[in-house]
Amino acid sequence: GAGVSQSPSNKVTEKGKDVELRCDPISGHTALYWYRQSLGQGLEFLIYFQGNSAPDKSGLPSDRFSAERTGGSVSTLTIQRTQQEDSAVYLCASSHPLTSGGYNEQFFGPGTRLTVL
Amino acid sequence: RKEVEQDPGPFNVPEGATVAFNCTYSNSASQSFFWYRQDCRKEPKLLMSVYSSGNEDGRFTAQLNRASQYISLLIRDSKLSDSATYLCASRTGGFKTIFGAGTRLFVKA
Repeated sequence: GAGVSQSPSNKVTEKGKDVELRCDPISGHTALYWYRQSLGQGLEFLIYFQGNSAPDKSGLPSDRFSAERTGGSVSTLTIQRTQQEDSAVYLCASSHPLTSGGYNEQFFGPGTRLTVL
Repeated sequence: RKEVEQDPGPFNVPEGATVAFNCTYSNSASQSFFWYRQDCRKEPKLLMSVYSSGNEDGRFTAQLNRASQYISLLIRDSKLSDSATYLCASRTGGFKTIFGAGTRLFVKA
């Protein structure tokens, strides 16, 4: 597709279950980002990938959160033993490092709305 | 203190008004700055990058003040369609981008 896609679009799970969220970035975009947005709040940075490596994992809220990226493309964000406070919209974005002018516009996917009961 | 801070608003303005948003950042190593627009229950989309010398795109003007560590967005001749949340963002070296919580704008007829 032409844009960033994420799946599932909605996920309802029970407290204590594990969930996997998927992101397909724009083809050719080497940088990939994960954010979390709680109701009425701004974007909370979680992690970014440059290729398959994650230089900065500082935003991951706890060790229940992990992410990986394979083949420089698809990324998966995994939340283990979900808690109610994990309920939020999880947004993925991608960017290409060589856009005109050197500024890196991030293109966002539609997000995954996670609800933990 | 949050690394990027914005007035949450909401700003309620009539059509045709001029409205200004400010955003402050605390990390002096920040190199690039952006304004994103987010419509209700939609993903953010880039509105403008903010250049050191200031830049304008139609009715929108963005400015950067490195000494005071703030960026601003001016919207002239507001339209109903400008109603949205405006997020400022700063990026340090590398790709890590920090977003503010956003400022909500309502433009009314």
